[in-house]
Amino acid sequence: KQEVTQIPAALSVPEGENLVLNCSFTDSAIYNLQWFRQDPGKGLTSLLLIQSSQREQTSGRLNASLDKSSGRSTLYIAASQPGDSATYLCAVTGGSNYKLTFGKGTLLTVNP
Amino acid sequence: DTEVTQTPKHLVMGMTNKKSLKCEQHMGHRAMYWYKQKAKKPPELMFVYSYEKLSINESVPSRFSPECPNSSLLNLHLHALQPEDSALYLCASRPGPGPLSTDTQYFGPGTRLTVL
Repeated sequence: KQEVTQIPAALSVPEGENLVLNCSFTDSAIYNLQWFRQDPGKGLTSLLLIQSSQREQTSGRLNASLDKSSGRSTLYIAASQPGDSATYLCAVTGGSNYKLTFGKGTLLTVNP
Repeated sequence: DTEVTQTPKHLVMGMTNKKSLKCEQHMGHRAMYWYKQKAKKPPELMFVYSYEKLSINESVPSRFSPECPNSSLLNLHLHALQPEDSALYLCASRPGPGPLSTDTQYFGPGTRLTVL
């Protein structure tokens, strides 16, 4: 059974700081890995999707890496802003029917 | 149109009520999902529909009854719920069948359900 772990559970940083969120998964037989953002009480927004054959993806200030063999991914956020405050969820897909398995998330607070 | 819509946004119901949640997408996606998310927890998969047929039921109690009347619409019928069923219910869709490595699920904003 796939298990996804995210570290840290919560992170508070001052505005402008660069930061890294970590994700690990137990079964390397995945189709892809995604990072989502969730604002309180809201739905999920997909930030980055890394295919199993890829090593990284970039979008603006966000960069995500994937090391499938070791079961690890990182999300790097450059020059953090208060608007980045949210919960960040890592999810991997595997098996039939494209099942997403989520980590418990990292609650990020960026202080002005 | 690249969004998944869900109605209502909020729902309060008693344990004897019958209500329904609605999810709609017009992106031509052929796979649709229901998730349940408790506070400070990740989403948990409930049901998957593929080409309007139920393909996964994650051992969800029968008081939750999904329905997919057509390729754009997904309903979740609720009956005799318990207070512990209070949660955010999220709908998602995926293009499917397509190259699985490039597909992402598009999530709706959710329905916040409170069972009294």
